[in-house]
Amino acid sequence: GAGVSQSPRYKVAKRGQDVALRCDPISGHVSLFWYQQALGQGPEFLTYFQNEAQLDKSGLPSDRFFAERPEGSVSTLKIQRTQQEDSAVYLCASSLAGGPHEQFFGPGTRLTVL
Amino acid sequence: AQTVTQSQPEMSVQEAETVTLSCTYDTSESDYYLFWYKQPPSRQMILVIRQEAYKQQNATENRFSVNFQKAAKSFSLKISDSQLGDAAMYFCAYRRSQGGSEKLVFGKGMKLTVNP
Repeated sequence: GAGVSQSPRYKVAKRGQDVALRCDPISGHVSLFWYQQALGQGPEFLTYFQNEAQLDKSGLPSDRFFAERPEGSVSTLKIQRTQQEDSAVYLCASSLAGGPHEQFFGPGTRLTVL
Repeated sequence: AQTVTQSQPEMSVQEAETVTLSCTYDTSESDYYLFWYKQPPSRQMILVIRQEAYKQQNATENRFSVNFQKAAKSFSLKISDSQLGDAAMYFCAYRRSQGGSEKLVFGKGMKLTVNP
């Protein structure tokens, strides 16, 4: 079946603009995760959903970052008033819930803020 | 808070030889999961192998195996018969097994080069 897809793959924004990043998880996957990966670093957790409930948003760096998954499937990560430090690759992952289930990752969205 | 440390930023290996990637972690929990993920230059992260902390037997997946030392909080990955396609960034990751978030905590990664 289809894997996790993300759009757009690349996004260039001017400082101060708002952006929205989309994630389509694998069908039937209850859990959905967003990670931020700076250049040359490991992914860092942003937020986690189980179905439509946002169970952990402890990794969101500021109140400019907002994520939603209203119907328990597609998720959107929104960044308001983008700053240069927001430049990174944003990875989405999905998995079955509980147990040592593999998180399947999407290809990521590379965000560049000028 | 849990942390994962990969102290070697880069390694290289000759094709067909064996290489070991090191990882240490810190946690106060007794049960958890550990993972090795591979990220080729195309950027899509792929699971290589996983280990459940309560299992004493080290996990193996074809040419990939781990050396899990729970007391030392060490989780190294051994790649046997290295192939050119093994060249990638490798990330060690931790996940708690009970309660709370199912988030992964990653190390900073290690770049593996495979020389023909």
